This record gives sequence, structure tokens and C-alpha cells, in this order.
Amino acid sequence: QQKVQQSPESLIVPEGGMASLNCTSSDRNVDYFWWYRQHSGKSPKMLMSIFSNGEKEEGRFTVHLNKASLHTSLHIRDSQPSDSALYLCAASNNYAQGLTFGLGTRVSVFP
Amino acid sequence: EAAVTQSPRNKVTVTGGNVTLSCRQTNSHNYMYWYRQDTGHGLRLIHYSYGAGNLQIGDVPDGYKATRTTQEDFFLLLELASPSQTSLYFCASSDARGAGQNTLYFGAGTRLSVL
Repeated sequence: QQKVQQSPESLIVPEGGMASLNCTSSDRNVDYFWWYRQHSGKSPKMLMSIFSNGEKEEGRFTVHLNKASLHTSLHIRDSQPSDSALYLCAASNNYAQGLTFGLGTRVSVFP
Repeated sequence: EAAVTQSPRNKVTVTGGNVTLSCRQTNSHNYMYWYRQDTGHGLRLIHYSYGAGNLQIGDVPDGYKATRTTQEDFFLLLELASPSQTSLYFCASSDARGAGQNTLYFGAGTRLSVL
């Protein structure tokens, strides 16, 4: 069973709309969360990280973290066709020992 | 931005064959990682290293060896390749001086097919 669970598996969003992605870790030792984005045929690139309870905003992207429930969410507002990609959630309790990734949420933004 | 170069980009081999995947990073990062990406399994950590001569096992190490010859170079070896090792392989590096510095920088990937 995946230690990092993401939902939904896929999401279709109209251009200009809001996309909301969820991620939960089943490993109680996890302390750190990241979101990576992988466009089709490309390698993953780090989008945002969050290590403390609360919210963090960077441009059109907002992440939330609830450490008690080990749940993080990523919200993309004013979605653009260029946001169409696979979004990967990653977690770790020891960031130097590699990250555990979820299966991802595939986001498709249509004009 | 950090540069991680993988070679070859594509490789086809037969069952039982020997394969070496190469990775070089030019950013003076201490940590390097090998992941494989498969539909239904996502990205899984094979091996990682925190410096030349060091090797640590990841979550799916069976059938793989790795060697870190220098700070820049990290190799993944498949000595008796099997069809189950057909996959997209990514190398990554990071500074890992603290959680906030542990962005993984991925190479472009090597697509391996074992027939």
C-alpha cells in the first residue's frame, strides 16, 4: 500500500478555474512535505514545500498542511493550460534519505 | 538551476544483459539518488549516496547495484537485467543541508526496455 496517498487520480479543470489536490501520509514519522510537478515527457520539478502547520502561498499556488492528520493540499487558482501536468506529493521524515512519492494527480486544464 | 545529466536517454537490452546508467551533476551537491517511475507504482527510490564511495539502499534495491565514484558521478548497474526492470529511470541530486534546502533536481531520465 502506498505510504503517500493522493486524490483524486485525475482532475479536469476549466481555464480560469480552481484545482484542489489532496495528499495524506500513512507514516506517522513524516515531518516534511513537498509538491512536485511533472509535465508530459519531462522530469519532476519542485513546485512548493511546506514543513509547518498552516498555509503558504506563492503566486497562483497555495498549499495547506495539517501535521496532526498528516494531510496536505495544493490549490491552483486561475488555472492555465500550462498547468496541465502530473502533480506529485512527496513526504519524508529524514529529508536526506530520499523522498517517498505518491502516485500523483493528473490535472488537465481545458481552454 | 541545478544541472543533472543522464545517459543514455534510451536503452534497449535483452534479458540477462548488463546495463549501466550514468548520472553526472555539476552543482556540488552531496546527495544523489536513483529512482524508477512506473505506472501504478509512481516514483520509487532504488539507491542513494551522500558522497563519493558511499552507498545507501532505498526502497526497491533488489537487482540493482550502484556506485558513486566522485561527488559528480553516480552509476546504476543492472548486471542480469530482467523484463521487470523495464522502466523510466531518474537520477536526482540535492544539497540536503536542511529540509528547506532539500529540493531534488532531476535529470531528464533514461527509458530502459528489457526484452
